[in-house]
Order: sequence, then structure tokens, then C-alpha cells
Amino acid sequence: GAGVSQTPSNKVTEKGKYVELRCDPISGHTALYWYRQSLGQGPEFLIYFQGTGAADDSGLPNDRFFAVRPEGSVSTLKIQRTERGDSAVYLCASSPYRTSYEQFFGPGTRLTVL
Amino acid sequence: TQLLEQSPQFLSIQEGENLTVYCNSSSVFSSLQWYRQEPGEGPVLLVTVVTGGEVKKLKRLTFQFGDARKDSSLHITAAQPGDTGLYLCAGASGNEKLTFGTGTRLTIIP
Repeated sequence: GAGVSQTPSNKVTEKGKYVELRCDPISGHTALYWYRQSLGQGPEFLIYFQGTGAADDSGLPNDRFFAVRPEGSVSTLKIQRTERGDSAVYLCASSPYRTSYEQFFGPGTRLTVL
Repeated sequence: TQLLEQSPQFLSIQEGENLTVYCNSSSVFSSLQWYRQEPGEGPVLLVTVVTGGEVKKLKRLTFQFGDARKDSSLHITAAQPGDTGLYLCAGASGNEKLTFGTGTRLTIIP
């Protein structure tokens, strides 16, 4: 079956611009997670959705970052006034269970802020 | 803040050798997972360990969860070039988010 998909695969933008990153989870998965992975490091948690609501957004670094999941499926991570430090790979993962720790990751979106 | 430290950070060995990667924390986790990540791809789950002292085997890979559920190890027997990749441990502690380790980049030389 289809896995988690993320678009675009690569995004290059200029400092100060707004970007949107999209995640299509595995069909039927209720939980959706966003992580950020900087070069040479492990992924860092950003936000977790259970259904349509953000159950935990404690990992969002500041108020320039926002994520939505309006229909409980596709999610969009939005970054305003991008900074060079936002450059990283943004990973999305989904899980079929409410409290499952087993997450299935997409290939990521590589964001480069010039 | 929970931290998971992995060692070694980099490991390069010859095909056929054995190796062990360690994942250590001062925090207790409800469960711990190991992932492998290839360049340009997301992490792929290898195993989940839940019980302190638990040992799981996946072909040539052996995973162990420490008795106190603060640490874990991954042992690979007779390493093959296909084992090359970034190995990540990740802990869960009652909430749904995962705390990932710093990663071990493994290179198997043919």
C-alpha cells in the first residue's frame, strides 16, 4: 500500500518568505507527527496531531511555525518569515493507533533558506 | 529535556565483522525503537522493545532494552554492505512523541 508522502521533496526559498510543506499520511492513520532533522542529527519533534486537533505542539520553535490538519488526514506545516536557521529536512510520520509508538515516516521535504 | 546519546557517532568496519551500537539516557522510557535511515529517505522502523531486559532478534540484528529501560544496544553479526546507513534509537515516555538519539552512521566496507 501507499506510504506517507510529502511534497515538495525540495524547497528553496529566500529569507523572509512564507512556505508550506504538505504531508499525506497513510490512509486510516489517526495520528500524524512533524519532525525536523538538521544535518548529521536525529529528528527533533515539532508537533503531533490526533485527528484534526494538535495534541502536542510543544516542539514548535516559535510562533513563525504553524501546522494544520483540517480534515484529519492531510497536514500542512507553515513557516512564516523564514530564516536561514530553518534550513533542514522536515519529516512527517503517521501512526494507526492512538498510543502507538510505531511511526511510519515519509521521505521528508528538504527546505533550504537562502 | 530527555536526551538519548548514541555511540559511536561514526563506525566504519569491514564486511563480515561484528559491531555494537549503544543508546544511553538518564531518563526512563516506556518503549524504545530503532530505525535505519538511508540518504534522502525517512527513518524506517526496525524494532520496538518495551520490557526491561527484553531481547529481540531480526536476522543478524540483535536488540536489547536495558533492565532499567534507560538504555539499549544494537548488535550486528557478520555485517554486510547493505547494513550501511544511519541508525537511530528513539524513546517514548508515555506521551506520543518520540525523542530521537544523536544517530550512528555505519559504513560497511566490502
